[in-house]
Amino acid sequence: DQQVKQNSPSLSVQEGRISILNCDYTNSMFDYFLWYKKYPAEGPTFLISISSIKDKNEDGRFTVFLNKSAKHLSLHIVPSQPGDSAVYFCAADSGSARQLTFGSGTQLTVLP
Amino acid sequence: DSGVTQTPKHLITATGQRVTLRCSPRSGDLSVYWYQQSLDQGLQFLIQYYNGEERAKGNILERFSAQQFPDLHSELNLSSLELGDSALYFCASSAGDSTEAFFGQGTRLTVV
Repeated sequence: DQQVKQNSPSLSVQEGRISILNCDYTNSMFDYFLWYKKYPAEGPTFLISISSIKDKNEDGRFTVFLNKSAKHLSLHIVPSQPGDSAVYFCAADSGSARQLTFGSGTQLTVLP
Repeated sequence: DSGVTQTPKHLITATGQRVTLRCSPRSGDLSVYWYQQSLDQGLQFLIQYYNGEERAKGNILERFSAQQFPDLHSELNLSSLELGDSALYFCASSAGDSTEAFFGQGTRLTVV
């Protein structure tokens, strides 16, 4: 049973527009959420995170929104750039588990 | 460069064989995590070590084992290999129990 789900395997966006990547989770014990970006032939790199006590965290072009009641989080990239083309993984953690549970990833393609 | 080093980068071996994957964490990081990424799958947590001791266990098969040595490097041992074990194996490290983990470039294991 997937506890973290990314239902869109792929997303294409025009350069300069907004990219919205979505993630749903089922485990109410998750209290910390992260987004990782992965280029081919490289390991995932940390992008941005959010604690469950917040509903928004912003870092430059990247903003993560958390809706605890819906068990949903999203990553907004504005404006999108071709270099953002990568696989984006959503991950969740609960303090007691001390392990990250990852979604299956969304391939973002930003078209020039 | 994340600072996490994994060797080898590629490994091809036959069914029934045993292999060892190695991970050197970032300098000063005490936690080491192992993840498996099969084709079209997300990252599956296998196991975590913290300062030489097993801290958390995920969906790790009994044929697989890991350890973390006094110098904090870690090894993942995979035995009685099956075709389905072909995957990317990632190691990650973090400073402690902090959930921001830094990933290595992975070892691509192909079982033929």
